[in-house]
Amino acid sequence: DIQMTQSPASLSASLEEIVTITCQASQDIGNWLAWYQQKPGKSPQLLIYGATSLADGVPSRFSGSRSGTQYSLKISRLQVEDPGIYYCLQGYSAPWTFGGGTKLELK
Amino acid sequence: QVQLKESGPGLMQPSETLSLTCTVSGFSLTSNGVGWVRQPLGKGLVWMGTIWAGGSTNYNSAVQSRLSISRDTSKSQVFLKMNSLQPEDTGTYYCARWDYDGTLDYWGQGVMVTVSS
Repeated sequence: DIQMTQSPASLSASLEEIVTITCQASQDIGNWLAWYQQKPGKSPQLLIYGATSLADGVPSRFSGSRSGTQYSLKISRLQVEDPGIYYCLQGYSAPWTFGGGTKLELK
Repeated sequence: QVQLKESGPGLMQPSETLSLTCTVSGFSLTSNGVGWVRQPLGKGLVWMGTIWAGGSTNYNSAVQSRLSISRDTSKSQVFLKMNSLQPEDTGTYYCARWDYDGTLDYWGQGVMVTVSS
């Protein structure tokens, strides 16, 4: 099984700050990586697919990148609506696996 | 537009069989796969299984012996059945559409299932 190690588990950041969340895959998954945002009581919302492509309607302050088997989600200027829990998902092979999540809070 | 909606009982007893329905609209089950994802209360997301556009299925080995996913394409419905429920099966169950980029792109609102005696 492919393990997705996500870090940090939690972070607190200020408005307008740059935030970066990473997922490390245990093996090569190419660009088969997606990022989701989940707010309390809501279902996950797709932010990034194909490691770097922005999903429809997602603000351009969100971006995804890849370096080998490490994947990053960057929020360029944190906004008041951005706190929540962020997850990565590898879509390369079964069993499809999520990262453990990153809880993002406003400082 | 693409929509998915889960339905099913909220409270189950241990050893019972859970039956959930995912009703979809805005796309065809013969064009996209649908996956089920579980989220225990306060915890992360776990993929449980998928039924693909061609009708084949994949299951998470942790629940494979207890889980069955099927569909009725004429009704645009996907079904999850899981037997021998235990309290640790408690959580929110989501269905979501697989798109062609290997991503779960649209999700239902989720249905909370509690397994308790």
